[in-house]
Amino acid sequence: GIQVEQSPPDLILQEGANSTLRCNFSDSVNNLQWFHQNPWGQLINLFYIPSGTKQNGRLSATTVATERYSLLYISSSQTTDSGVYFCAVDGDYKLSFGAGTTVTVRA
Amino acid sequence: NAGVTQTPKFRVLKTGQSMTLLCAQDMNHEYMYWYRQDPGMGLRLIHYSVGEGTTAKGEVPDGYNVSRLKKQNFLLGLESAAPSQTSVYFCASSISNYEQYFGPGTRLTVT
Repeated sequence: GIQVEQSPPDLILQEGANSTLRCNFSDSVNNLQWFHQNPWGQLINLFYIPSGTKQNGRLSATTVATERYSLLYISSSQTTDSGVYFCAVDGDYKLSFGAGTTVTVRA
Repeated sequence: NAGVTQTPKFRVLKTGQSMTLLCAQDMNHEYMYWYRQDPGMGLRLIHYSVGEGTTAKGEVPDGYNVSRLKKQNFLLGLESAAPSQTSVYFCASSISNYEQYFGPGTRLTVT
């Protein structure tokens, strides 16, 4: 199956800081999604982005499919951004998840 | 429009007991999925369905069975629960091979 690697594994930010999370994948994909899992365990869809760039408020994402990576940008971080961010890719219906990046935003 | 719902939210089983987890979606999605999430890990696919009456194995299917008798429902069964099945279970649905939408999860403990 497709291998998904996320970096860094952990990230500690001061409120207001910017950060970049990276997702590398091992094969061509039809689907790439970014999720935020909040401290209550809920999975929140952030982006469906198999290619190109999207923005939603303080979050944006870019996927370069030909080079097999995606980036998630968090700007002006807030404490509510804390949680685990997952990248998941799909080459044939089935999503393969990375291990996640745990983000802690300190006030 | 409730999206994807899961019942129950929490359950404690003893080794050897059986149970069924129910997933329901009201978005008329063809595809449905069951994942499990273990501590410190991403989700892993257990089984999935590409339409009513169809099911297929995912990455970690052993010890589980599924059924998709109605388009809106996807059931996950544990016939004889084991401690290794202690996990959080997530259901998801999608229109074909596009964005997947997840339910709130079911936390299962097997003692």
